[in-house]
Amino acid sequence: TQLLEQSPQFLSIQEGENLTVYCNSSSVFSSLQWYRQEPGEGPVLLVTVVTGGEVKKLKRLTFQFGDARKDSSLHITAAQPGDTGLYLCAGTAYNFNKFYFGSGTKLNVKP
Amino acid sequence: DSGVTQTPKHLITATGQRVTLRCSPRSGDLSVYWYQQSLDQGLQFLIQYYNGEERAKGNILERFSAQQFPDLHSELNLSSLELGDSALYFCASSTTGETEAFFGQGTRLTVV
Repeated sequence: TQLLEQSPQFLSIQEGENLTVYCNSSSVFSSLQWYRQEPGEGPVLLVTVVTGGEVKKLKRLTFQFGDARKDSSLHITAAQPGDTGLYLCAGTAYNFNKFYFGSGTKLNVKP
Repeated sequence: DSGVTQTPKHLITATGQRVTLRCSPRSGDLSVYWYQQSLDQGLQFLIQYYNGEERAKGNILERFSAQQFPDLHSELNLSSLELGDSALYFCASSTTGETEAFFGQGTRLTVV
């Protein structure tokens, strides 16, 4: 079992649609990160959320950290083909000594 | 550019051989992670070092080993290579080992 569960695993949408990706855990995290990875490239850090209930915006992307710091969401407004990629959440849980990654959400935005 | 440098970018080798992948972390980062990513798969955590010491171990095979040197660069050694070891190998670094990690561009290993 994964410490961080992401859903959905795959998402194929049309350009202009909105979408939300979820990252859930039964453990409390000191912080959570979201990464985006394009094929053959390394994951690129998009954002870090630290405070429970925190909301961060990055242009058309909105990131939220749950009040209990066990979950996070990524919302993309008016998706574009350039948003296509693998989205990964990651973080360090309290009482664990490892940086965990979720299984990822593969997003395909069709023109 | 994340500041993490991995060499080589590509590596093609035969089964049974041994290879060494190298990683230079971002300046000031003390922790280095190694991940394996097979085709269309997620990131599989292999091992983490912090300031030269092993901190955490994931699903790393006994044929694989790693170390972090006093100058903080790290090497991942893969031996007795099998076809199934073909994958992208990523190195990441972070300041303390419990904060966000920054990834290199990866080494694509092809075992033929």
